[in-house]
Amino acid sequence: GQQLNQSPQSMFIQEGEDVSMNCTSSSIFNTWLWYKQDPGEGPVLLIALYKAGELTSNGRLTAQFGITRKDSFLNISASIPSDVGIYFCAGQIDYKLSFGAGTTVTVRA
Amino acid sequence: DGGITQSPKYLFRKEGQNVTLSCEQNLNHDAMYWYRQDPGQGLRLIYYSQIVNDFQKGDIAEGYSVSREKKESFPLTVTSAQKNPTAFYLCASSAGLLYNEQFFGPGTRLTVL
Repeated sequence: GQQLNQSPQSMFIQEGEDVSMNCTSSSIFNTWLWYKQDPGEGPVLLIALYKAGELTSNGRLTAQFGITRKDSFLNISASIPSDVGIYFCAGQIDYKLSFGAGTTVTVRA
Repeated sequence: DGGITQSPKYLFRKEGQNVTLSCEQNLNHDAMYWYRQDPGQGLRLIYYSQIVNDFQKGDIAEGYSVSREKKESFPLTVTSAQKNPTAFYLCASSAGLLYNEQFFGPGTRLTVL
């Protein structure tokens, strides 16, 4: 699979904060997907992006497909405790998905 | 409710034994996938199938085998040839290979003792 660099590796959130994470690659992709995974569970699809430059929202989540087709970002606005988990980006080309290593979001004590 | 089921949730096996993980979907999806997840890493593709009786190797197929005898079922066998089988295994499906949105099951955690 292709290499995806996802950052940050981890972050702490305080309720009400806006948070942002991104994914970059040296390869171009036709589709970008963002998933959230709770511990011990399967990933759940949050947002799918199909066109370069596309900006899509799903509730408090906003994601963009980079113009170069090599990157994508995900923003979470006004974070709440249930936003904790691991967020994965995935890029698709040739019928296969390549995944980033994930961004772990935890609540700041 | 439509969805993907995987069983069992937890599986323990002795080294050298083959073990089969179950994956069933009632979404009427044509394509199904198996991924392996290790701590701190992204998902890696083991095998995928776009239609009954057809499947293709993914990036890390060595030591694994699959079958696709029915549209709704895609079992994965972890053989004794897999050198490091302890991992979290995830099954996914999509409407077809041209449909990029893959939906995942709850996963099976395999521990080899």
